[in-house]
Amino acid sequence: EIVLTQSPATLSLSPGERATLSCRASQSVSSYLAWYQQKPGQAPRLLIYDASNRATGIPARFSGSGSGTDFTLTISSLEPEDFAVYYCQQRSNWPLITFGQGTRLEIK
Amino acid sequence: QVQLVESGGGVVQPGGSLRLSCAASGFTFSSYGMHWVRQAPGKGLEWVAFIRYDGSNKYYADSVKGRFTISRDNSKNTLYLQMNSLRAEDTAVYYCAKDKSRDLDYWGQGTLVTVSS
Repeated sequence: EIVLTQSPATLSLSPGERATLSCRASQSVSSYLAWYQQKPGQAPRLLIYDASNRATGIPARFSGSGSGTDFTLTISSLEPEDFAVYYCQQRSNWPLITFGQGTRLEIK
Repeated sequence: QVQLVESGGGVVQPGGSLRLSCAASGFTFSSYGMHWVRQAPGKGLEWVAFIRYDGSNKYYADSVKGRFTISRDNSKNTLYLQMNSLRAEDTAVYYCAKDKSRDLDYWGQGTLVTVSS
């Protein structure tokens, strides 16, 4: 099983600041990595797929990078609605999909 | 617009059974694979099962294999999850999600399953 480790567990920032979230895989997942955002009481929403492609309707302030084992989700300038939990997910080891444990992005 | 609406959750005793449904609209349901994903209270996401667009292949997480069955009725635009031999650790919100090349691009709002005596 491929394990995804996200860091930090919690990130405290202010609106307008830049956020950098990390996801590390226990073995290479090539570019088969996605990012999701989940707000309290809501379902997850796909942000990024194939490591760097924004999903439909996702603002340009969200970007993804990386390949192999190290990936980054960057939010260039935080808006109030961006404070949420973020998960990475790999599909390299299909049919076994795994998620990271999540990073909570909170308002400082 | 894509809509996925889960139903069928509730409280069930350990060892019991439950069937979840997911009604899909806003896209050609019969052309897409579908997933179930769950989230235990206060925890992260766990993938549960996947079914191909035509129902020909099904895959399960080890934690539910042999106990849960995913199925679909393309004539009714509905996805199902039959859950048997339920355990306390199956307590979670269960989401259905539309497949996008093994990523999950649209999710329902979820239905809560509580396994407790």
